[in-house]
Order: sequence, then C-alpha cells, then structure tokens
Amino acid sequence: QVQMQQSGPGLVKPSETLSLICGVSGYSITSGYHWGWIRQPPGKGLEWIGSINHVGSASYNPSLKSRVTISLDTSKNEYSLRLNSVTAADTAMYYCVASLGYWGQGTLVTVSS
Amino acid sequence: QAVVTQEPSLTVSPGGTVTLTCGSSTGSVTSGHYPYWFQQKPGQAPRTLIYDTNNKHSWTPARFSGSLLGGKAALTLSGAQPEDEADYYCILYSGGAGVFGGGTKVTVL
Repeated sequence: QVQMQQSGPGLVKPSETLSLICGVSGYSITSGYHWGWIRQPPGKGLEWIGSINHVGSASYNPSLKSRVTISLDTSKNEYSLRLNSVTAADTAMYYCVASLGYWGQGTLVTVSS
Repeated sequence: QAVVTQEPSLTVSPGGTVTLTCGSSTGSVTSGHYPYWFQQKPGQAPRTLIYDTNNKHSWTPARFSGSLLGGKAALTLSGAQPEDEADYYCILYSGGAGVFGGGTKVTVL
C-alpha cells in the first residue's frame, strides 16, 4: 500500500517560495505512477497544480506553469513542489497524490507577512 | 483550458439513487479524458472513488459506479447511506493537464 507523508512550512511570506515535500513509502517512485500536487483554498474547490511521472516528465496547470516546479528525488523516494512569487491567493491546503489514488494528509499553507 | 461543470447540489433520499455528472466545455467527455471521481467530507482529505471512467479502488463501496452518460462522465450512487453525504469532485484530463469540476454537494435527506 502506497503511503504519502507531507512536510514543509505552514507559513510563507508574500513574494517568497513555497516548498513542500512528499515522502513515499510502500512503492518506488521510479517504478510507475504519476506523482502530483493538488490544492484547495479555504472553503473552495480542488485545483490541480501538476504532476510528474516516474521518469521525471512533468505537466503543470497552465495558470500556474510560470511559477511551479515539481521534481523527483529518487535517492530519498520523495518528490517536491516549489511555487515561487506567492501571494495571498496561494493560501490553501496542499495535497500530494499518487496517480490520483493515494493522498497525503494535506498541509495548510498560509501566505502572510 | 476547458471548464468542467458539475451540479452544485443534489439531494437523495436514504436508500435512493442519484447520478452526478461531469461535463466539459470543449465537447463530449470520453474515456480519453480519464475521468476520476472523489469524495470529500468536512475536514478530511479527498478520497478517490473512481478512476479511468469506471474503475473502483479496493476501498470504494459497491454502491458507487462510474460511467459515460449523454456526453458526460457520471457517478451513480445506488442505495444512498447517511455517510454518503459529502462533496463530490470530478477531474478530466486534456493535453496532459487536469481540470477539476466545481464539485457537487450531495445531501442525504
């Protein structure tokens, strides 16, 4: 069974970079699946941020593409999200997801000075 | 980027049947959009119910089923239980990017 464990700061200052990590256990990230990130602003719906496949090819939401990077760290069996130049509009619960089936616990990230 | 549409809210009686739909502004939804369905209860992370149109995970209750119906993806709940009251989201893929619908709030009443 694939398990996802998220880590990263819950508070980021405006204009800085949001960085989150998703540690994966029970499955090698190089074996298959798509490794993705989804967010949900407070009281709102889900938004697909992007995903990366097991060989490192990434796809991003066009509305975020200029600010987002998703990458694999195969040595640690984890993958990461970086979102730069954040504003208050980026305040949301962020989830890592494996092939849209296995979800992390979520990290509430607040953008505030 | 396509706009994905879902009914804002639906009500179903206990034991009854309800069908949620997921449409695309670009035209008919097909299996090539790889429709997924998710359930989210208050304060919880979403849970995946259906993937690739009609496939269930091991944890998906048998009363949920996915299909294509009238040019849309559909999620049917047959024999609704009180614990099925939740928000339901679909996602469609096009050109490698995913787009979520706005979600459907299902009330069991």
